Amino acid sequence: DAGVIQSPRHEVTEMGQEVTLRCKPISGHNSLFWYRQTMMRGLELLIYFNNNVPIDDSGMPEDRFSAKMPNASFSTLKIQPSEPRDSAVYFCASRTSGGANEQFFGPGTRLTVL
Amino acid sequence: GIQVEQSPPDLILQEGANSTLRCNFSDSVNNLQWFHQNPWGQLINLFYIPSGTKQNGRLSATTVATERYSLLYISSSQTTDSGVYFCAVFPLDGQNFVFGPGTRLSVLP
Repeated sequence: DAGVIQSPRHEVTEMGQEVTLRCKPISGHNSLFWYRQTMMRGLELLIYFNNNVPIDDSGMPEDRFSAKMPNASFSTLKIQPSEPRDSAVYFCASRTSGGANEQFFGPGTRLTVL
Repeated sequence: GIQVEQSPPDLILQEGANSTLRCNFSDSVNNLQWFHQNPWGQLINLFYIPSGTKQNGRLSATTVATERYSLLYISSSQTTDSGVYFCAVFPLDGQNFVFGPGTRLSVLP
C-alpha cells in the first residue's frame, strides 16, 4: 500500500486566500483524522471521521476551518479565509475503526500564510 | 482526561551511545504506539505495543500496562535517530489516541 497520501506537500498563500488540503487514507481504513502541528501547541487533533461521517470536530479552531469526506478514499480540509496564524504542518492519519488499531500518518502539508 | 508524560524532554547523545525514553500515562489504556518524527517532519510508526516487549533492529519497546508506563530503548544510536519521539496512548474509555509532548533526541557525530 502507498500509505496515507496528502497533497500538496507545501503551500504558500497570502492572507485571505482559500486553502484546500487533500488526503487519501490507506485503503480499507475507515477512520480518518486531521491534525495540526505547531511549535507552540504541538500536535492537535482537529477533526475525525468514521465511515465518512464526522464524529468529533471540537478541535477545529474556528468557523474558517471546514472538513469533508465525500467518500472512503478522499477527504479535504479547507481554510477560508486563511490567516498567518494558520501557518502550521497539517497531517492526515488513518486507521481501521472499532478499537485501538494502529494509526498511520501521511507526510503532512506545510502551510505558510503570508 | 488521561495525562501522558514523556521523559526526558530533551536528550543529546554521542553517536554509538544507548538511551532509554520513558512514557508515563495516568489511566488504563487499550493500546500504545511509539512514533519517530524525523528532521524532515515525517511521523514514522515504530511500535504498536499494548503490553510486553517488541524489538526491531536497534530499537526495542516495553509496555507495562498495569504500571502505566512504556519504555523505548535505542541502542548504538546513529545520527539518523535524531528527531522527536512521541508516545500515544488509547484510553480504555476513549475514542482516539492521546499524544505525549515528545522527547527531542539529538545524536551527534
